[in-house]
Amino acid sequence: DAGITQSPRYKITETGRQVTLMCHQTWSHSYMFWYRQDLGHGLRLIYYSAAADITDKGEVSDGYVVSRSKTENFPLTLESATRSQTSVYFCASKPQYTNNGYTFGSGTRLTVV
Amino acid sequence: AQSVSQHNHHVILSEAASLELGCNYSYGGTVNLFWYVQYPGQHLQLLLKYFSGDPLVKGIKGFEAEFIKSKFSFNLRKPSVQWSDTAEYFCAVNSMDTGRRALTFGSGTRLQVQP
Repeated sequence: DAGITQSPRYKITETGRQVTLMCHQTWSHSYMFWYRQDLGHGLRLIYYSAAADITDKGEVSDGYVVSRSKTENFPLTLESATRSQTSVYFCASKPQYTNNGYTFGSGTRLTVV
Repeated sequence: AQSVSQHNHHVILSEAASLELGCNYSYGGTVNLFWYVQYPGQHLQLLLKYFSGDPLVKGIKGFEAEFIKSKFSFNLRKPSVQWSDTAEYFCAVNSMDTGRRALTFGSGTRLQVQP
């Protein structure tokens, strides 16, 4: 699905560095989400946003920061990367008034060394 | 807080065998329920969903699921699996009462179908 794009697809970074993962959607969906996927844990919510300039924490938000100045973009920043943040990160979006149409990006595989 | 449990972590089946994957959720209010599939190296794709109405829902690729409210369950079934069904399967729930629109996922079930 070309409507939601994550970049980069793969990233290796060092402990302590700041890293930003990008998410862009072309549908003007109100809601956007960041999840991390780890073996044995499924997908866990990091942050979500109901609209531009409205964001809220999920269950595993420590060490992450988000912003949403434009509806279509929802970047996720690791302020000081740790090895425990090695994971696959998925961005998702959905329209405002329906639970139909949750759509996921292809993911970013991040390795912190 | 809502939670989702998938008790089968790794299932190995032969082709043509029947499949049932368990999913239980903890929230007692109104929920929307979903099953997603993730093929190796790919993103999540929706298999099927339940919002209301007939508790037996049919999805793509011959999958179906049954919502049993009294058991807080939403089990996924397929009468005859194929090698191409090898993937990871995730159950997810969204509470309709809290206003939060994020899906809560189970830990996933890895299905391996042997030819």
